[in-house]
Amino acid sequence: DQQVKQNSPSLSVQEGRISILNCDYTNSMFDYFLWYKKYPAEGPTFLISISSIKDKNEDGRFTVFLNKSAKHLSLHIVPSQPGDSAVYFCAASARGGTSYGKLTFGQGTILTVHP
Amino acid sequence: NAGVTQTPKFRILKIGQSMTLQCAQDMNHNYMYWYRQDPGMGLKLIYYSVGAGITDKGEVPNGYNVSRSTTEDFPLRLELAAPSQTSVYFCASSYSMGNTIYFGEGSWLTVV
Repeated sequence: DQQVKQNSPSLSVQEGRISILNCDYTNSMFDYFLWYKKYPAEGPTFLISISSIKDKNEDGRFTVFLNKSAKHLSLHIVPSQPGDSAVYFCAASARGGTSYGKLTFGQGTILTVHP
Repeated sequence: NAGVTQTPKFRILKIGQSMTLQCAQDMNHNYMYWYRQDPGMGLKLIYYSVGAGITDKGEVPNGYNVSRSTTEDFPLRLELAAPSQTSVYFCASSYSMGNTIYFGEGSWLTVV
């Protein structure tokens, strides 16, 4: 039962353009969402997060949008840079109940930004 | 500025062997986790700990054991290694549950 899904295994974008990475979830208890970035042979690094009380959070070139009714979130990177090429993981947690705090990850999307 | 440190980085095990993956963090985090990542898959939680002396199972605990004798260390023990345990293992820590977790660089394990 894949509770967090990233349906696009890969995305290719030209430098300077917008990258949009998508994530869907099924568990209505999830109320905190994060994006992690992972380079080869390294551990995931935290990128940006959003609480369910908000529908948008910005940090520099990175913006995360949350649509609770659709159980969908997206990460926008503007403008995209070659150094953004990495695997991006969406993750979600429920701050209540028995699964409190434990992150559930999507499968990841490989982003390639071409110069 | 070490953060979360994992050893070894790479290891090849024979079926039936045992080994321990070491993990240490220097951020004084109470919460520590072990995840595994299989090719093309997301990270799955193996075990986690909310503090010294307290551990609990995650999503995929079978074939593994953990201990948490200190705040800093959270070793993962593989008993009777099986090919299905070939994976990349990530240790992580956080200040509290539900907040950002910080990952180590990973340990690549192959069981042959």
